Amino acid sequence: AQSVTQLGSHVSVSEGALVLLRCNYSSSVPPYLFWYVQYPNQGLQLLLKYTSAATLVKGINGFEAEFKKSETSFHLTKPSAHMSDAAEYFCAVSASNSGYALNFGKGTSLLVTP
Amino acid sequence: NAGVTQTPKFQVLKTGQSMTLQCAQDMNHNSMYWYRQDPGMGLRLIYYSASEGTTDKGEVPNGYNVSRLNKREFSLRLESAAPSQTSVYFCASMTGGLTDTQYFGPGTRLTVL
Repeated sequence: AQSVTQLGSHVSVSEGALVLLRCNYSSSVPPYLFWYVQYPNQGLQLLLKYTSAATLVKGINGFEAEFKKSETSFHLTKPSAHMSDAAEYFCAVSASNSGYALNFGKGTSLLVTP
Repeated sequence: NAGVTQTPKFQVLKTGQSMTLQCAQDMNHNSMYWYRQDPGMGLRLIYYSASEGTTDKGEVPNGYNVSRLNKREFSLRLESAAPSQTSVYFCASMTGGLTDTQYFGPGTRLTVL
């Protein structure tokens, strides 16, 4: 079964600093990977997704992620954090054996300090 | 387009009470999903419906039932609520494919006393 692991349940960065949120996947077949963001008391919004077309994927709000098969990773980055980036971030993998439902990681809470 | 809508937004139940969470989408999507979100657990799949007229269990189906009323609507029912079902419930929908984007509703925050 496909699964993802997010390293670090909480990450704190200063405003303007690099954001790096880590996600590793486990899959016996080529995975299709997603990053979602959840702002407080809201639903989830897609940031970006990897569908094998390109290993470097650009998303909304200046975020991007690179698929590295050799490291089984799909880490999310942003060069310069804004206060508005404070949110919960979820990595997920599409599961072909349950109607393409998503298997989510446990999430990483990003705190941005002034 | 409203996207995915959920009602109610908040609900408090007593142990043993029943209720139905409603979900509707106006994007003509084939597939719909119910997830629950608990602190430190991410989101876990309760039930899904790959197409109108079909439903299947997900990772945590115990204590829940679902109905795919038509292509637009997918409801989740708690027959006898338990404190362990205190959670935030999200409905999602998508066209139906391995690389498709799932669109999420705003969630229902349920507390069972």
